[in-house]
Amino acid sequence: QKEVEQNSGPLSVPEGAIASLNCTYSDRGSQSFFWYRQYSGKSPELIMFIYSNGDKEDGRFTAQLNKASQYVSLLIRDSQPSDSATYLCAVRSRVDTGRRALTFGSGTRLQVQP
Amino acid sequence: AAGVIQSPRHLIKEKRETATLKCYPIPRHDTVYWYQQGPGQDPQFLISFYEKMQSDKGSIPDRFSAQQFSDYHSELNMSSLELGDSALYFCASSSPSRPLNYGYTFGSGTRLTVV
Repeated sequence: QKEVEQNSGPLSVPEGAIASLNCTYSDRGSQSFFWYRQYSGKSPELIMFIYSNGDKEDGRFTAQLNKASQYVSLLIRDSQPSDSATYLCAVRSRVDTGRRALTFGSGTRLQVQP
Repeated sequence: AAGVIQSPRHLIKEKRETATLKCYPIPRHDTVYWYQQGPGQDPQFLISFYEKMQSDKGSIPDRFSAQQFSDYHSELNMSSLELGDSALYFCASSSPSRPLNYGYTFGSGTRLTVV
């Protein structure tokens, strides 16, 4: 079992719709969670992080965390064609040093249809 | 704002050759991470350095080595290259002054092709 699991997709949504991306993780000691966006051939770009249960909103993006269920999600409202990319979920297991490397999921490819 | 700089952007090597990838972190960032991303794969953590010392080790092959220098730049040395080493290699850096729950910033990557 991979430490971080994501549905590879593609997830196809029409322009203006809400895109919902999901991620589960296996390590209950995981402390912080990140969503990165990656365009083909480009480097990952951080779009959200969350470490407390509940929702965190930033513009059109909302991250949701449920530690009891070991589940984190990303909602993208009013999806735009420019949102079409691979979304990587990443997890940090230890925050005692702040330098623990992130573990990435395989990513979900999102396609927003104009 | 200055970003993480990686060089070269592209590199083509033959099997059994060696390659050196360089990473220059964001100024005042003291931690550097190296990741390998094969085609259609997620980024795989290789190794990280904090204050010039190795701080974490992932799935780095024995043929690879890395170090961080006094100016905080890092180099990934890859020897006896194999076809399977063809991938995007990303470097990322983080700052000690940021809250622990911050992610880190990736460089643009080096695309290594082994032929």
